[in-house]
Amino acid sequence: EVHLLESGGALVQPGGSLRLSCVGSGFTFSDYAMSWVRQAPGKGLEWVSHVTGTGVTTTYADSVRGRFTISRDTSKNTLFLQMDSLSTEDTAVYYCVKEKRFHYMEDWGRGTTVTVSS
Amino acid sequence: EIVLTQSPATLSLSPGERATLSCRASQSVSNYLAWYQQKPGQAPRLLICDASDRATGIPARFSGSGSGSDFTLTISSLEPEDFAVYYCQHRSTWPLTFGGGTRVEIK
Repeated sequence: EVHLLESGGALVQPGGSLRLSCVGSGFTFSDYAMSWVRQAPGKGLEWVSHVTGTGVTTTYADSVRGRFTISRDTSKNTLFLQMDSLSTEDTAVYYCVKEKRFHYMEDWGRGTTVTVSS
Repeated sequence: EIVLTQSPATLSLSPGERATLSCRASQSVSNYLAWYQQKPGQAPRLLICDASDRATGIPARFSGSGSGSDFTLTISSLEPEDFAVYYCQHRSTWPLTFGGGTRVEIK
């Protein structure tokens, strides 16, 4: 059974930084592309970033490009999201997602909450 | 960016009734469209990919259709556990985008 466990969410001030982590189990981590998807309070889903199984290729939503960095450590089955220059608009639950073939979101973690507020 | 517009925003139905949800893309996405279900306090669940392929373990009452710009998710007979919010998502080009969601509520 696939299991994804996010951590690292917190309350942070505008302009601050945060690093999210996601540990995957129940599958061969390096075989699957991964994404981060977020959901602001009471709002819909927003895809944030994607990384290939090898970690070589990354893609970002315009809203986070240049501020967020996705990466993965295959040896530790862990996905990361480094978030810099945070603004109140980044407040959301951040989900770690294992992709099904070609960018469908197959398996989701429970999410970790990021609150950006002064 | 491809914009996905879902309608209606809210669908009020009774258990046993048929639900028909729409997702319209601002340009063709071929059949590269998925549907997700999200219940309160839970992560979304993949229902349908490539417009009409049910994901593993998804009941047959859920079906998807469409191609190009117009897509439909049909729930043939609503069960109590089907009342939730449903999102569509395309994978045609970057960035991936989701629709705004349709809430299926108990009438």
